[in-house]
Amino acid sequence: SQTIHQWPATLVQPVGSPLSLECTVEGTSNPNLYWYRQAAGRGLQLLFYSVGIGQISSEVPQNLSASRPQDRQFILSSKKLLLSDSGFYLCAWSVIISSYNEQFFGPGTRLTVL
Amino acid sequence: AQSVTQLDSHVSVSEGTPVLLRCNYSSSYSPSLFWYVQHPNKGLQLLLKYTSAATLVKGINGFEAEFKKSETSFHLTKPSAHMSDAAEYFCVVSDRNDYKLSFGAGTTVTVRA
Repeated sequence: SQTIHQWPATLVQPVGSPLSLECTVEGTSNPNLYWYRQAAGRGLQLLFYSVGIGQISSEVPQNLSASRPQDRQFILSSKKLLLSDSGFYLCAWSVIISSYNEQFFGPGTRLTVL
Repeated sequence: AQSVTQLDSHVSVSEGTPVLLRCNYSSSYSPSLFWYVQHPNKGLQLLLKYTSAATLVKGINGFEAEFKKSETSFHLTKPSAHMSDAAEYFCVVSDRNDYKLSFGAGTTVTVRA
């Protein structure tokens, strides 16, 4: 069966510090991968998605970047965090050949920028 | 373009009474529709999905939803609420062969004892 992992689960970082969040998927090959952010009291915002190694599409211009160094690994990064980067970050995957695009979500990372 | 409107930001019910969460969608093509549930500080879990088979879709934990094309709706129901149903619920639409999902703003459900 497929599983998706995210770490860390929680993170408190000062403004201006770097960020690296990691997401890995097990039990499937060549998945679509996604990063979402959920700010307090708001819905989910798609940040990045990837259909293959090294292929990253950005949905919203911002202080963040994403990379996919391996087939089942997706990393969200920042060189300098802003207060507005606080939120709940969710990674998700879907089957690339599916026409229904059902997405499976990880447990999330709670990021607080102080 | 696709979009979703969840008509209630908050729903409060008594334990053992029915739950209704309303969702309207807009889609240029034949859509796929999903309901996800999120408990506090957790990821999203798929409750059910509509993918052009039966219009009445049964999901986990006793939830079901009915796809009504004429009304562009996909409302979620459960006949008897349980305390564990207290969570946030998201209605989601996807056009076929599109990688992206469009999320509603969410409905927070509270269950009174």
